[in-house]
Amino acid sequence: NAGVTQTPKFQVLKTGQSMTLQCAQDMNHEYMSWYRQDPGMGLRLIHYSVGAGITDQGEVPNGYNVSRSTTEDFPLRLLSAAPSQTSVYFCASRTQGINSPLHFGNGTRLTVT
Amino acid sequence: DQQVKQNSPSLSVQEGRISILNCDYTNSMFDYFLWYKKYPAEGPTFLISISSIKDKNEDGRFTVFLNKSAKHLSLHIVPSQPGDSAVYFCAASSFTGANSKLTFGKGITLSVRP
Repeated sequence: NAGVTQTPKFQVLKTGQSMTLQCAQDMNHEYMSWYRQDPGMGLRLIHYSVGAGITDQGEVPNGYNVSRSTTEDFPLRLLSAAPSQTSVYFCASRTQGINSPLHFGNGTRLTVT
Repeated sequence: DQQVKQNSPSLSVQEGRISILNCDYTNSMFDYFLWYKKYPAEGPTFLISISSIKDKNEDGRFTVFLNKSAKHLSLHIVPSQPGDSAVYFCAASSFTGANSKLTFGKGITLSVRP
């Protein structure tokens, strides 16, 4: 039972490069989301999805794109990386049940130079 | 504006003693609260939750207390163990159906000394 799987674990990008952070879950969860964790800032919501074909913005969506073509996968795309996007990124999923808790992946540590 | 506040960045306690982690919130629409625990290089894991219709929820060594009038909740760990050393995040949500979103605090680093 893998849960939420994120790849890669580490990534270094140069300013202006693009990349996709992968997230997959095998729990058949309808809801998936991306958070970033920065020192002294806690976890901030970037984008989320309540099901295949449906996505919406969170608290800090600028510079990121998402799509949800399947229930299992929710990739996060950085269009043109900036040093301000240096962070640890967490993907999380849950069922649509009332107040069901989020299940997190182990994160991707991204450095933009 | 920070809606979920964990004002103490760190806490150190002796093994066997009680750990009390505090959390305050400003949004009166929040009606569900959760605590997550995070070890280094891992994702946060769900620990315990409480609905606004309750003032206490207990699960083994972990108890969460909610004071709605004060917009304050706390996590009690008794007895504290070295394996409890981690970052603890308080989170809150207001149920809006499928779009319900969690708002997290900045986290508290708990160190339990052997």
